[in-house]
Amino acid sequence: AQSVSQHNHHVILSEAASLELGCNYSYGGTVNLFWYVQYPGQHLQLLLKYFSGDPLVKGIKGFEAEFIKSKFSFNLRKPSVQWSDTAEYFCAVKVFSGGYNKLIFGAGTRLAVHP
Amino acid sequence: NAGVTQTPKFQVLKTGQSMTLQCAQDMNHEYMSWYRQDPGMGLRLIHYSVGAGITDQGEVPNGYNVSRSTTEDFPLRLLSAAPSQTSVYFCASSYSNEQFFGPGTRLTVL
Repeated sequence: AQSVSQHNHHVILSEAASLELGCNYSYGGTVNLFWYVQYPGQHLQLLLKYFSGDPLVKGIKGFEAEFIKSKFSFNLRKPSVQWSDTAEYFCAVKVFSGGYNKLIFGAGTRLAVHP
Repeated sequence: NAGVTQTPKFQVLKTGQSMTLQCAQDMNHEYMSWYRQDPGMGLRLIHYSVGAGITDQGEVPNGYNVSRSTTEDFPLRLLSAAPSQTSVYFCASSYSNEQFFGPGTRLTVL
């Protein structure tokens, strides 16, 4: 069965520290990859997405992610986090299964950034 | 455009009660879906629809029913609420490869 694994459930950083959140998926076919962010009390918003082409994709608010096909990974990075990046981050993979596209989410990583 | 709207925002039910969570979108998207979000489990797909009149089960469909009579609306029904259904429910619609999420409904079943 298809699945998405996020390695860290909770991450605590100080402002200006670098961030890397791991995401691995299990699916042998063509995938579309996403990172969503959920700020406290808000709904999910798209950070960035990968469909094809350059495996290094840039998203909003200084985030980027790298697709490494051989490792089935799509890790999220930011060189210098801010307090406002405190949120929960979800990796998601779109797969074609059962005749339709389906979006499968990881369990999420809760990031807390301290001033 | 209002995007994806959900009502109510909060709801408390007693075990065995029924209710319908409403979801509407004004973007003319064919694909709509319902997720539940539980701590440490991410979002899990309950039901989805690829167009009016077509629905299918997702990962955790038990205890939930859906229908899709129009492109705009995709209600989620709990026929007999159970404490295990306490969760935050998100509706989403999608076009091409991007999903748009509603603000969520926080449901508590006592």
